[in-house]
Amino acid sequence: EIVLTQSPGTLSLSPGERATLSCRASQSVSSSYLAWYQQKPGQAPRLLIYGASSRATGIPDRFSGSGSGTDFTLTISRLEPEDFAVYYCQQYGSSSWTFGQGTKVEIK
Amino acid sequence: QVQLVESGGGLVKPGGSLRLSCAASGFTFSDYYMSWIRQAPGKGLEWVSYISSSGSTIYYADSVKGRFTISRDNAKNSLYLQMNSLRAEDTAVYYCASSIAAVYFQHWGQGTLVTVSS
Repeated sequence: EIVLTQSPGTLSLSPGERATLSCRASQSVSSSYLAWYQQKPGQAPRLLIYGASSRATGIPDRFSGSGSGTDFTLTISRLEPEDFAVYYCQQYGSSSWTFGQGTKVEIK
Repeated sequence: QVQLVESGGGLVKPGGSLRLSCAASGFTFSDYYMSWIRQAPGKGLEWVSYISSSGSTIYYADSVKGRFTISRDNAKNSLYLQMNSLRAEDTAVYYCASSIAAVYFQHWGQGTLVTVSS
């Protein structure tokens, strides 16, 4: 099973700042099979990025994804108040789906 | 718009059974892959089970294999999860999710809470 490790665990930033979230896989992941989600308290997760870099429908262009192999990144160019949330990466491989443990982006 | 509504959660004793349902609307259900994902209180996300659009391909996480059964009824636009031999560690919010591509989870329901406790 591929293990995804996200860092940092918590990111303390101010609105308007740039957020860079990392997701590292224990073995190589096809870029086509890497996604990112946002989850706010009491809500279901929301798909942000699929295929490592494609934005889902309705996702603002301040969200971008990049990476390949074992290292992937979610970048939020300028944090808006509604962006403070927990973010998860997710991969598919060998008939199994796994998530990272999450990165919390909190207001500094 | 796409809507997924889970139901069937509740309090059950260890060793008991529960059947979750997910009612889908706003899209052609029979074209979409469906999954169940759970989240224990204060924890991260864990994929539980997957079923292909036709129902011909099914996968389970090792943690639930042999105890949980996923199924779908395309005529009723519904997804199900039969959960048997429930354990305390199965306590979680259970989400159903749909996607036109099998590799990620495009739309999510609001979740239903399952609590396994004596």
